Amino acid sequence: QKEVEQNSGPLSVPEGAIASLNCTYSDRVSQSFFWYRQYSGKSPELIMSIYSNGDKEDGRFTAQLNKASQYVSLLIRDSQPSDSATYLCASTGSARQLTFGSGTQLTVLP
Amino acid sequence: DGGITQSPKYLFRKEGQNVTLSCEQNLNHDAMYWYRQDPGQGLRLIYYSQIVNDFQKGDIAEGYSVSREKKESFPLTVTSAQKNPTAFYLCASTAGLNTEAFFGQGTRLTVV
Repeated sequence: QKEVEQNSGPLSVPEGAIASLNCTYSDRVSQSFFWYRQYSGKSPELIMSIYSNGDKEDGRFTAQLNKASQYVSLLIRDSQPSDSATYLCASTGSARQLTFGSGTQLTVLP
Repeated sequence: DGGITQSPKYLFRKEGQNVTLSCEQNLNHDAMYWYRQDPGQGLRLIYYSQIVNDFQKGDIAEGYSVSREKKESFPLTVTSAQKNPTAFYLCASTAGLNTEAFFGQGTRLTVV
C-alpha cells in the first residue's frame, strides 16, 4: 500500500465551479501535509500546508485535514483555466521523509 | 535571492555512462531530497539527507548514488546500473522535518 494516495483523475470541471481533490495517507504518525501545484514541464510549487485537524483557507483554496480518517483534501473555489495543472499531495511521517502521492490532473474548462 | 539551483536543465547520457546532476541551495536548509518523475506520474523518492555526511535511500535508490559533503550541495549520480534513467529529476530542500519543500527547476535526463 502506498503511503500517500490520491484520487487518480483526471478531473475536469467547468470554469467557476468547485474542484475537489482528495488524498489519503497510511502513516498515522504523519504530522504535516502539503498541496503542491505542478504545471507541465515545471517543478512543483506549494499551494497550502496544513498541520492540524480542520479547515485552512487561503484565497480560493481550502485545505481540510481529518487525522482520524487519515485524509486531506483541497478545494478550489471559482476554478479558473489557469488552475489547470497536476496537484500533488505530500506528507512527512515516521520515516522522516517527504512522500508524495501520484498526483491528480485537473482541467478547468472555459 | 535564496533558492535551489539545479544544473544542467537538460542532460543527455549515452548507454553505459555515469552522469552527475548538480543541486545547490543557499537557503541554509538542513534536509535535501532527490525525486524522479516519469511522464504522467508523481514524484518518487530516490535519496534524502537530513544532515551533512549522512543520507538515506528512498524508494527507488538502485542505480543511483549521492553525497552530502557540504550543507549546500547534494549531487546525484546516475550510474550505468540504472537501466531506464530517462526522466525528470527534481531536487528539493526543507528547513526541518515538518516544513515545506522548495524545489529546483529540475533536470531532464535523456538516454541517447
